[in-house]
Amino acid sequence: GAGVSQSPSNKVTEKGKDVELRCDPISGHTALYWYRQSLGQGLEFLIYFQGNSAPDKSGLPSDRFSAERTGGSVSTLTIQRTQQEDSAVYLCASIPAGAQIPYEQYFGPGTRLTVT
Amino acid sequence: EDKVVQSPLSLVVHEGDTVTLNCSYEVTNFRSLLWYKQEKKAPTFLFMLTSSGIEKKSGRLSSILDKKELFSILNITATQTGDSAVYLCAEGSGGSNYKLTFGKGTLLTVNP
Repeated sequence: GAGVSQSPSNKVTEKGKDVELRCDPISGHTALYWYRQSLGQGLEFLIYFQGNSAPDKSGLPSDRFSAERTGGSVSTLTIQRTQQEDSAVYLCASIPAGAQIPYEQYFGPGTRLTVT
Repeated sequence: EDKVVQSPLSLVVHEGDTVTLNCSYEVTNFRSLLWYKQEKKAPTFLFMLTSSGIEKKSGRLSSILDKKELFSILNITATQTGDSAVYLCAEGSGGSNYKLTFGKGTLLTVNP
């Protein structure tokens, strides 16, 4: 079946512009994560959504970052007034209902963001 | 602050070699330790370890956890070029049952 999809796969933007990254989780998956991976680094937790509960936004690095999940499915990560240090790969992962969290994460292919 | 340290950062071997990748962690309220393989962008799950001394095995890959010494190893025997990837270690701990702290990864290159 279809896996987690993310769009765009690559995004080049100028410093100061806003960008929106999209994640389509696997149908029926109730939990969703966003991570950031800078060059040579591990995955950095950004935000976690679980069902209708309030999201855990504790990993968002600044108030320029925000994320929402509409209808418990598609999620968008928005970065306002992008800075060069925002350049990274942004990964989304989803988890099926009833799965043992955080074990069964299905990752998308990521969006590579380059801020010039 | 929890910390996960992987070593070596990179490793180059020849096909057929056996490799051992290391992951040490400093945590409070340890829950689990996970290994992922990352080719290109998307990590894929390999193992989750929660108990000391119990080896998890999948084909040529195996992993074990030592909760006393706070480390885990990932072994790959008879390496193949398809094993070339970044191997990520992550630990879940603390007050949440869903947050993972990742190490920087080990870049493994297997040459023919």
